[in-house]
Amino acid sequence: DTGVSQDPRHKITKRGQNVTFRCDPISEHNRLYWYRQTLGQGPEFLTYFQNEAQLEKSRLLSDRFSAERPKGSFSTLEIQRTEQGDSAMYLCASSPGTGEEKLFFGSGTQLSVL
Amino acid sequence: QKEVEQDPGPLSVPEGAIVSLNCTYSNSAFQYFMWYRQYSRKGPELLMYTYSSGNKEDGRFTAQVDKSSKYISLFIRDSQPSDSATYLCAMSEYNFNKFYFGSGTKLNVKP
Repeated sequence: DTGVSQDPRHKITKRGQNVTFRCDPISEHNRLYWYRQTLGQGPEFLTYFQNEAQLEKSRLLSDRFSAERPKGSFSTLEIQRTEQGDSAMYLCASSPGTGEEKLFFGSGTQLSVL
Repeated sequence: QKEVEQDPGPLSVPEGAIVSLNCTYSNSAFQYFMWYRQYSRKGPELLMYTYSSGNKEDGRFTAQVDKSSKYISLFIRDSQPSDSATYLCAMSEYNFNKFYFGSGTKLNVKP
């Protein structure tokens, strides 16, 4: 069990560029979540996968955000045409999917949009 | 109104003090309640997990849930400087499709 892995740890981009983040959940965890966290705030839900199916998506998520989990293992989160307001820590978490679920978080990807 | 409300602090206490952290919520469908600890620039780590009203103890930590008042608490006994972090409450409905987090309380334990 190597924990949830996120890549990259830091990303600096210019406004208008596209960025993609990767998350590798704990092996055999079939639930995967993406959250966004800004300074002084708690994590804000973005989306949830059970295996490869995206079952929940925040209404706050604009069309510029898309997430995939093609084989039910790793997941990617893409932000198109980034805006300065997208600057945040993007957190991935996984959960076993066996009943009483507990989130295990990665260290996050810190995005800075200049 | 946010689904989960948490006092942001900061809370500063001397080493050895008992710390009380609290959250209130509005959604009566929440059934599972958690406390996470988050150090600066790190992901949150799970401290306590409970699904019923009452108390749950784990070492120096006690989680308390009062569903009738929609109020949860985390108590830390004999607080240590290493407990200095941000504490987040989180909760979920029965299906775990989404976890709702409080805004976090920043705790500083002074040696």
